[in-house]
Amino acid sequence: DAGITQSPRHKVTETGTPVTLRCHQTENHRYMYWYRQDPGHGLRLIHYSYGVKDTDKGEVSDGYSVSRSKTEDFLLTLESATSSQTSVYFCAIGRAQEYEQYFGPGTRLTVT
Amino acid sequence: GENVEQHPSTLSVQEGDSAVIKCTYSDSASNYFPWYKQELGKRPQLIIDIRSNVGEKKDQRIAVTLNKTAKHFSLHITETQPEDSAVYFCASYYSGGGADGLTFGKGTHLIIQP
Repeated sequence: DAGITQSPRHKVTETGTPVTLRCHQTENHRYMYWYRQDPGHGLRLIHYSYGVKDTDKGEVSDGYSVSRSKTEDFLLTLESATSSQTSVYFCAIGRAQEYEQYFGPGTRLTVT
Repeated sequence: GENVEQHPSTLSVQEGDSAVIKCTYSDSASNYFPWYKQELGKRPQLIIDIRSNVGEKKDQRIAVTLNKTAKHFSLHITETQPEDSAVYFCASYYSGGGADGLTFGKGTHLIIQP
């Protein structure tokens, strides 16, 4: 697997609390992505980054923010978690937009 | 934005037979089409991809075909084996509308019957 790690791997939190998920890569790839995976929906893009401090919204960005202060780290923040944000979150990396994307191991988030 | 439809949602085949999964996309500007395999509890793994300037690509028992005119692409797995059982996702790369990235189909659960 490509050098991508995600932390934490599992998290249970309460509605209304802030949550930050971390994606770390050792591949020096320019592009990083956050997806969420839900039954019946496949994978949906939340936010992506095309360089340090350069980010943009994806299909389902409401309720999420991201930051990328270093090439290797891409953070996803839920400012005030809701039950609808219970999901499996995958980070992915890519050399360029239209090339291969490789996924991290995922974070299972449960909001109670 | 882009829309990707994937069929069937579940496919059961006998071991040794072939399996075909089909996807359609909506935006003619899409130019990259990967396929991912995901085993239960694991990350999606890229198994094959095709670009819009190519009609077919093959890698051992798997192949992908692309019809740009009809805006559809398909995954073909021949001589299926038990380890092929998984969920398969197609995707297209779409640039525009402030939502660059892969748009995924909803997945096909492939079951290989012994």
